[in-house]
Amino acid sequence: GNSVTQMEGPVTLSEEAFLTINCTYTATGYPSLFWYVQYPGEGLQLLLKATKADDKGSNKGFEATYRKETTSFHLEKGSVQVSDSAVYFCALDQTGANNLFFGTGTRLTVIP
Amino acid sequence: NAGVTQTPKFQVLKTGQSMTLQCAQDMNHEYMSWYRQDPGMGLRLIHYSVGAGITDQGEVPNGYNVSRSTTEDFPLRLLSAAPSQTSVYFCASSTRDRVSVSGSRTGQYFGPGTRLTVL
Repeated sequence: GNSVTQMEGPVTLSEEAFLTINCTYTATGYPSLFWYVQYPGEGLQLLLKATKADDKGSNKGFEATYRKETTSFHLEKGSVQVSDSAVYFCALDQTGANNLFFGTGTRLTVIP
Repeated sequence: NAGVTQTPKFQVLKTGQSMTLQCAQDMNHEYMSWYRQDPGMGLRLIHYSVGAGITDQGEVPNGYNVSRSTTEDFPLRLLSAAPSQTSVYFCASSTRDRVSVSGSRTGQYFGPGTRLTVL
């Protein structure tokens, strides 16, 4: 079946530190992969996506590369800011299925 | 575009009461879904729809009903509220990615959520 395993948090970093949040997936076929961000008190927002192997999604300084050989889609940012403090969700969308499979979320806190 | 809207933002119910959570989108998306978010469990799919008149169950459908009479609206009904239904509920919509050769969907657009407490 389809599933997403996400690095457990919480993660606390100092401003300008490097961020990695690990995400691995299990799927049949060729899913699309997503990262969503949820700021306090808000709904989820799409951060970036990749639809096929070796694609790199990027947005707002965040990047993630679709690695089929390691079934991974790790989120990275070179220099985090306080405003990046949020919960980050990795998700998988299997073409033909009618569900988006989410990881459990990783809470990031960036301190000045 | 307003995107995906949800009402109410907050609701408190007593056990056994019924209510409807409203969801609407103005992007002409064919796919709509309801999720609940509970601490440490990510988002779980309650019901979804692939178009007007078509609905199906997700991972946790018990105690909830949905209907999709129009493309825009996808209300979620709680039939007889229970404390286990205390959660934050999110509605989302998506469509086919027109530039994708695999026919994959775009990312989902989420509403702001409804925080429900059942006493």
